[in-house]
Amino acid sequence: KQEVTQIPAALSVPEGENLVLNCSFTDSAIYNLQWFRQDPGKGLTSLLLIQSSQREQTSGRLNASLDKSSGRSTLYIAASQPGDSATYLCAVRPKLQASGTYKYIFGTGTRLKVLA
Amino acid sequence: GAVVSQHPSRVICKSGTSVKIECRSLDFQATTMFWYRQFPKQSLMLMATSNEGSKATYEQGVEKDKFLINHASLTLSTLTVTSAHPEDSSFYICSASRAGSGNTIYFGEGSWLTVV
Repeated sequence: KQEVTQIPAALSVPEGENLVLNCSFTDSAIYNLQWFRQDPGKGLTSLLLIQSSQREQTSGRLNASLDKSSGRSTLYIAASQPGDSATYLCAVRPKLQASGTYKYIFGTGTRLKVLA
Repeated sequence: GAVVSQHPSRVICKSGTSVKIECRSLDFQATTMFWYRQFPKQSLMLMATSNEGSKATYEQGVEKDKFLINHASLTLSTLTVTSAHPEDSSFYICSASRAGSGNTIYFGEGSWLTVV
């Protein structure tokens, strides 16, 4: 059974720091992995999607890496800003699923607070 | 790009009433849609898989009669929380599978339900 874990659960950093959020999954047979951002009381925003054949994806100050064999993904945020404060969720789409079923398994998230 | 829209984004209802949340794929046909629920400080959990023109498949532990799912067309799935109780207050999010694109999954932004 696929399980997704995110460490740390919460993180508080001063503005300007580079930081890394971690995501680990127990089954390496994945189709892809996606990072989301969730602001308090708001909806979900997709940040980056990494296919199983890829090792990393970049978007602006965000870089996500994927190491399938070790069951790990990291989200790197460069030069953090107060506006980056949110909960970051990692979600894995398992590879072996019944036809037509493409559910994601979510981690519990990392609550990030960037201090001005 | 593909967009999945949820409505309403936020709703407050009285205990005992029913509330409907819509999930629409705006520019593609979605044969399969998925409904997730997020419990406080927990990860998003899949509730059910909705297939157009057929009955939804519910995950273990999800009450079918309480969470009614209808996928009446290729662009619309609805989740109705019947006889809502305060413990049903949660964040509900849908995703849609876009056929013909490697079955890419797109997420809506989610809906916050508060039952008072």
